[in-house]
Amino acid sequence: NAGVTQTPKFQVLKTGQSMTLQCAQDMNHNSMYWYRQDPGMGLRLIYYSASEGTTDKGEVPNGYNVSRLNKREFSLRLESAAPSQTSVYFCASSEFTQSPYNEQFFGPGTRLTVL
Amino acid sequence: AQRVTQPEKLLSVFKGAPVELKCNYSYSGSPELFWYVQYSRQRLQLLLRHISRESIKGFTADLNKGETSFHLKKPFAQEEDSAMYYCALTETSGSRLTFGEGTQLTVNP
Repeated sequence: NAGVTQTPKFQVLKTGQSMTLQCAQDMNHNSMYWYRQDPGMGLRLIYYSASEGTTDKGEVPNGYNVSRLNKREFSLRLESAAPSQTSVYFCASSEFTQSPYNEQFFGPGTRLTVL
Repeated sequence: AQRVTQPEKLLSVFKGAPVELKCNYSYSGSPELFWYVQYSRQRLQLLLRHISRESIKGFTADLNKGETSFHLKKPFAQEEDSAMYYCALTETSGSRLTFGEGTQLTVNP
């Protein structure tokens, strides 16, 4: 099993360009998440999908949109990239939607630079 | 709103020394606490969770509700423990994790 996969691994954009980060999991998990990781700020939740067909805003949703394409795939879109969106983006998934045993499994990350 | 604070961005110890990574939280309900770890060039992964009362790789963490802390401890640090450590909190009935800022632990030979 590959677990959680993300594409691309690296991306450089110019301000105003758009792009979609792809995420897929092969663990049959119900819930999927997008985080951004910035130095000194830890991981912050952008959006999450508790189950197929649902999405909800996290802590820092502005400037992003998401699509839960099916149970396996959860994409993150930047419509008009800004330098403040330069970050490392992580996708994660978990089996249980509501459980204190909930372990999240993370992808390898996408390093995005916006010039 | 729930919040997790890790006061030390960087922590450096020598091999064989005890290590404690601090984590404080604020939450009005009954939280569940976790420690995640990211080794160099590896994915972020779960290290341990409070509810399981487990010891992983020699690490333990005790939830102190009075002090709202969940410090991670290991009596004898090893070089392979060098990594970024994140404390995280979730609601008992929720799936969302709130992460702290992270502590970069370096264990020197």
